[in-house]
Amino acid sequence: SQELEQSPQSLIVQEGKNLTINCTSSKTLYGLYWYKQKYGEGLIFLMMLQKGGEEKSHEKITAKLDEKKQQSSLHITASQPSHAGIYLCGADSRGSQGNLIFGKGTKLSVKP
Amino acid sequence: GAVVSQHPSWVICKSGTSVKIECRSLDFQATTMFWYRQFPKQSLMLMATSNEGSKATYEQGVEKDKFLINHASLTLSTLTVTSAHPEDSSFYICSAPEGQGVGETQYFGPGTRLLVL
Repeated sequence: SQELEQSPQSLIVQEGKNLTINCTSSKTLYGLYWYKQKYGEGLIFLMMLQKGGEEKSHEKITAKLDEKKQQSSLHITASQPSHAGIYLCGADSRGSQGNLIFGKGTKLSVKP
Repeated sequence: GAVVSQHPSWVICKSGTSVKIECRSLDFQATTMFWYRQFPKQSLMLMATSNEGSKATYEQGVEKDKFLINHASLTLSTLTVTSAHPEDSSFYICSAPEGQGVGETQYFGPGTRLLVL
């Protein structure tokens, strides 16, 4: 079955620094979603990537899907305390019981 | 590790009937649970936050009288799709957080696929 592995599991950065979170799939990705979750709240959709080499940006967050469609990276430029939370990647899974699978998340803390 | 279950995993119903979906945290207590809906080829969208002992909080655009949420206990939240119509056909997924603050981890149920004929 398909699995998503996120790295790092947790990250502490100084405000203003850039950071990257990776999401690697064991199989080809047909749709890759990035979500952000603030502690105690539900997931907020950030971006969806489908095509190999695709790149999207939302404010200071950029996500890319590699050409082979097995890895995606989420890059935050000039991090701010408001970026803190859990970042989850999710993917359309074909052939499994469910329709969506998720990585285990990356916990981001931004020190002011 | 913590597990969240959903029941049923899939359901087919006739238009106009109501469907209840259960979300259970199996080995931890969750005062809050989240309900999401996914449309084909679209993102997972938060529908509502289920709160144990109080009313659910609905996201903008979600009809609370259409999607009834009851957080009956610290391990069970139910979503009832009332008078279901074909446009309600979707994949519904719940999640429950364990822990608090930086110690929080979100666990997802396996999802329920609803098909309304």
